[in-house]
Amino acid sequence: GAGVSQTPSNKVTEKGKYVELRCDPISGHTALYWYRQSLGQGPEFLIYFQGTGAADDSGLPNDRFFAVRPEGSVSTLKIQRTERGDSAVYLCASSTTGTTPLHFGNGTRLTVT
Amino acid sequence: KQEVTQIPAALSVPEGENLVLNCSFTDSAIYNLQWFRQDPGKGLTSLLLIQSSQREQTSGRLNASLDKSSGRSTLYIAASQPGDSATYLCAVMNRDDKIIFGKGTRLHILP
Repeated sequence: GAGVSQTPSNKVTEKGKYVELRCDPISGHTALYWYRQSLGQGPEFLIYFQGTGAADDSGLPNDRFFAVRPEGSVSTLKIQRTERGDSAVYLCASSTTGTTPLHFGNGTRLTVT
Repeated sequence: KQEVTQIPAALSVPEGENLVLNCSFTDSAIYNLQWFRQDPGKGLTSLLLIQSSQREQTSGRLNASLDKSSGRSTLYIAASQPGDSATYLCAVMNRDDKIIFGKGTRLHILP
């Protein structure tokens, strides 16, 4: 595809359930970032992958959050035992190197009821 | 810990005016700085990327400057148009490749 693709675009789940959010980066982009954005706020860093490995996961709020990128392309953000405070837009971005611009997907809007 | 601040938080100006958005960051040891545009309900679109060795970048009516030593960047928009209305976000890439965003400036251009 031409851009970063995130699925689903919207996800409504009940408190306590498990959810998976998917990100398909631009082909060939080795760097992949996950961010969380609440209304009126800037994107909050969650985790950064370089290839298959998580280079920096210091932004994950707690151990309910986990992300993988097993083949160095598609990434999945997994949230266990969801809480209402997890409701936000989850954004994914990719780039080739640190010298090139980040390309963002349109995000997944997660609502926990 | 890197912190990015954007001032003002919101701005309304009449169409046709030139305007400046400000971004400051606390740790000057950065690789680059990017300015993004975000429309409501959408993802972010990269506008300009300035490497740490550069002082400015230009694209059309947009000009971004970087003063790394003082931890500041400005985004200058010339001859503003209603279509420029959006949230503008500044982000810095640290030496550890982590990219940190400010909270953005919500810009409204009055027709």
